[in-house]
This record gives sequence, C-alpha cells and structure tokens, in this order.
Amino acid sequence: GESVGLHLPTLSVQEGDNSIINCAYSNSASDYFIWYKQESGKGPQFIIDIRSNMDKRQGQRVTVLLNKTVKHLSLQIAATQPGDSAVYFCAENTFSGNTPLVFGKGTRLSVIA
Amino acid sequence: DAGVTQSPTHLIKTRGQHVTLRCSPISGHKSVSWYQQVLGQGPQFIFQYYEKEERGRGNFPDRFSARQFPNYSSELNVNALLLGDSALYLCASSLVVRGYEQYFGPGTRLTVT
Repeated sequence: GESVGLHLPTLSVQEGDNSIINCAYSNSASDYFIWYKQESGKGPQFIIDIRSNMDKRQGQRVTVLLNKTVKHLSLQIAATQPGDSAVYFCAENTFSGNTPLVFGKGTRLSVIA
Repeated sequence: DAGVTQSPTHLIKTRGQHVTLRCSPISGHKSVSWYQQVLGQGPQFIFQYYEKEERGRGNFPDRFSARQFPNYSSELNVNALLLGDSALYLCASSLVVRGYEQYFGPGTRLTVT
C-alpha cells in the first residue's frame, strides 16, 4: 500500500544552524500533513500542520513546505537548539475523510552543542 | 487542562496472556485512536473510535480489540500475546473523527516475554 516515507534517517546539525527534515508521500489523495516531534519516552507532539491548498506555513521557528507536484514536504527549524533533538515524523491524512494518520519511519535530529 | 492520559505506563506480560490498556482523551474530545509503535519505526494505526463506535481499523489481527465508553475513554485489548506485540501503544484524541489535530498520550510500553 501507499505510505509516507522519509529521505534521511538521521540528521546532525550544529546548534544555531537551520535544520531541514524531508518527507516524501505517495498517496495523491492525501490533503493534510502533520509534523510530529517525539522525544525519548514520550508520545508524538504536534508541531505544525499544512493543508494541500497551501504551499507554506510558518510557526514559531518552524516552517513547513509542501510541494504537491513532487509529493514532498519538508520541516525547517530555524536556529536549532539542543531541545530540538528528537525524532521527527511526518504524517499524512485526508482532512475530509475518515482515514487514519499514516506515519513515516522518522528522522532522528541530533543537535551538536 | 490535562492532556491525553494512558495507563499503565509500563507492563510486562508473558506470551499467551491478555492485556488491557486504558486511555482518557482530552476533555471535549470525542474521538480516540490507538497506534502501535515498534522500536525504531513510526506509529501504526490500530483503531479509531468516535462516539463509542468503531470508525476505522488498521491491519491488525482479531486478537486486537477496543471499545470506547460513554465518557469517551477507551480500552485496547490484546489477547494471546506474542513476542512481536512488544511495542509502545499510543492513544491519541481529537475533537472529531475526520482528519484533524490528534494529540498523543505518553504511551504504554508493553514488553512480552
């Protein structure tokens, strides 16, 4: 079946640098995408979402970009901090349908002080 | 306000036994979903309930069952436990059943020996 995947399993960045985490999706019917952050021993924490009628959405230090043409989304974290170290998952869904979230495998972000 | 709560936090069971996991959603949320997260992977959808009715089921065997109570809390039951059932079981709640922000609990770590 179709599923969400990620390009990079691990990412190491220097503190203060910007981080970019990528995600590819394959279900063309998906129109709602969410990024989650999961710290060790905790459940996934909602970071930011985007609907398919948007190309970009910004939050506090985070930006999500959606490219529907190539079915790709990315999470950009500005001025990465040690507290950003975690596993990041993208998930896809259909906003209007009764479909479950489909998660990718995750990218582990390590921030080097 | 309290977030999604799950109990127990950890438990250890033996193959062939039965387990019941519990979840209380965020106040006002009527939908509860259950996910299984095997170490190193993203969460996989098991069930979604809304207003006490099953609204979705993932690709899991019949050993897995769930229910939602009038107060919107939920139980996940797993019979005839296998070693492969060892995982973090996550509960997520949302306002409505369709695609929307889902808030995850901290999970229950199940170890089957």
